[in-house]
Amino acid sequence: KQEVTQIPAALSVPEGENLVLNCSFTDSAIYNLQWFRQDPGKGLTSLLLIQSSQREQTSGRLNASLDKSSGRSTLYIAASQPGDSATYLCAVFTANQAGTALIFGKGTTLSVSS
Amino acid sequence: DAGVTQSPTHLIKTRGQQVTLRCSPISGHKSVSWYQQVLGQGPQFIFQYYEKEERGRGNFPDRFSARQFPNYSSELNVNALLLGDSALYLCASSLAATTSTGELFFGEGSRLTVL
Repeated sequence: KQEVTQIPAALSVPEGENLVLNCSFTDSAIYNLQWFRQDPGKGLTSLLLIQSSQREQTSGRLNASLDKSSGRSTLYIAASQPGDSATYLCAVFTANQAGTALIFGKGTTLSVSS
Repeated sequence: DAGVTQSPTHLIKTRGQQVTLRCSPISGHKSVSWYQQVLGQGPQFIFQYYEKEERGRGNFPDRFSARQFPNYSSELNVNALLLGDSALYLCASSLAATTSTGELFFGEGSRLTVL
């Protein structure tokens, strides 16, 4: 059974710092991995999608890496800003008895202070 | 272009009642999935529909059902509501059937409170 773990659960940093969020998954048989941002009480905003054959993806100040063999992904945020404060969710797209679906971690709640 | 739209945004029900949540996918997307997110947890997969057929079902009781219409919009129904059904219900759409290579786009969700 695929399980996704995100560490740390919460993180507080001052504005301007570079930071790394970690995601690990137990089954390397994934189709892709997606990072999302969720503001309190809101839906999910897709940040980056990494296909299983890719090693990393970049969008602006965000860079996500994928090491499928070790079951790990990281989300790197450069020069953090207060507007980056949100919960960041990692999800892997996998096939199981339920069909194909995204399996989510519990998220890392980031707080960036000015 | 409009994103994934869900209605209602908030609703309050009492135990034993029934609820219907609605979702319109991004134009051109034929796949709709439903997820339940309990406070403090990551979303959990409930259903996926593609071309009006159920393609996947998560570990939820038969009180949960869904359908997809010819215009690819979808409804999620929950019968005999329990307190534990209180959650944010998220709808996601994608281009492909399995989304093995595709990206999922989520709506803002429907916040259900069961009293």
